[in-house]
Order: sequence, then structure tokens, then C-alpha cells
Amino acid sequence: AQSVTQLGSHVSVSEGALVLLRCNYSSSVPPYLFWYVQYPNQGLQLLLKYTSAATLVKGINGFEAEFKKSETSFHLTKPSAHMSDAAEYFCAVSNSGGGADGLTFGKGTHLIIQP
Amino acid sequence: DGGITQSPKYLFRKEGQNVTLSCEQNLNHDAMYWYRQDPGQGLRLIYYSQIVNDFQKGDIAEGYSVSREKKESFPLTVTSAQKNPTAFYLCATLPGPLFGGPLHFGNGTRLTVT
Repeated sequence: AQSVTQLGSHVSVSEGALVLLRCNYSSSVPPYLFWYVQYPNQGLQLLLKYTSAATLVKGINGFEAEFKKSETSFHLTKPSAHMSDAAEYFCAVSNSGGGADGLTFGKGTHLIIQP
Repeated sequence: DGGITQSPKYLFRKEGQNVTLSCEQNLNHDAMYWYRQDPGQGLRLIYYSQIVNDFQKGDIAEGYSVSREKKESFPLTVTSAQKNPTAFYLCATLPGPLFGGPLHFGNGTRLTVT
């Protein structure tokens, strides 16, 4: 079975500082990996996805993530945090059907931006 | 505009009552999913459907039921057998081809049962 571990339920950074949100996954098949963002009382919005092309994936709002097979990691980064980045972030891996049978999500990381 | 509509946004029920959450999509996506979100627990898959008139249980299907009579609609019924029904429920869809595509999410329904 697939699983996702997000280290740190809360991460706090200063505005303008580097954002690093960690994600490790376990998958029995070559994975498809995703990062989503959620604002309060809303659905999830896709930030970026990895689907076996380039290992460094660029997404929206200046975020990017690097797929490292040897470390089974897919960490999310942004060089300079903005106040609008404050939200909940979820890492997800495709289930065994390549995603057709859904995604398995991590428990989320709440990103706090300090002025 | 194409999208996923979940209604209502907030729903209140008394314990022991069944309640049905609506999910409608006009994206022409084949697959639809229901997730449950609890604080600090991430999202957990309840049911999913890849084609009309067919659906499969997810990880936490007990106490829930679904139907898929139309491509556009995938309602979720929370039955009185669900022990802890208060949660945020999210509907999602997946466009074809099915492999590797991201899920698209609605804005959710927050259900409170007292």
C-alpha cells in the first residue's frame, strides 16, 4: 500500500525566507506525486505534479519540488516566502492504479508566515 | 465555467439521521471520488467511481453509501451507522486518460452532526 509522510505538522518561516516542506513516500509501483495547497474552508488546488518526466518540477506561485528516488522524497520549496503562502499543504502519491483509484495523502503541513 | 459543485457548503444534522451530500461536475470527467478530511488527519478516501453504475470502496467506506447513475453526479450518503460523521467532505474528479492525472477538487461540504 502507498503511504505519505509529511515531516512537521506546522512550519513557520519569516516573509522572504526559504520555504521547505518535506514529503517522503512509499510506493509499490513507480509513483505519480503531487503537492496541493488548501486555504481555509476551501478545496485543494494543485501546485505541481511529478509524472516520471523531469525530476525537478516547477509549479504555480513560485513553488518547485524535486523527486529523489533514492531518498523516496518529494520536498516542496520556494526561495522567498510571501504572506499569501500561508495555508495547508498536502503531499500525495497515486494509488496502485496509477491514480485511477485515487491518491493517498499525507497529513498536511500548516505553513505560517511571520512578517 | 466548468467545475465541481458541492452543496450545501455547511450542513447540520441530528445524530441518527441519514444525510446526502451532493457533488455535480460539468467537466466531463470519467472518475469521481469522495474524501473525508479531519484536522491533522489529511484526506482519506471513502468511495470512488471510474464509470457510471460502478463504484469501489476506499479506505474508510463503513457507514457511507454512494451511487453513480449519471456521469455528472456522485452523491454521498452519510448513514446513521457512521460513528463520527462530523467532518469536511471533499469531492474530486479525474479526467481521462486516467493515469498520472491530478485530481480536481470541489470546495467541500462541512457536515456537523450533534
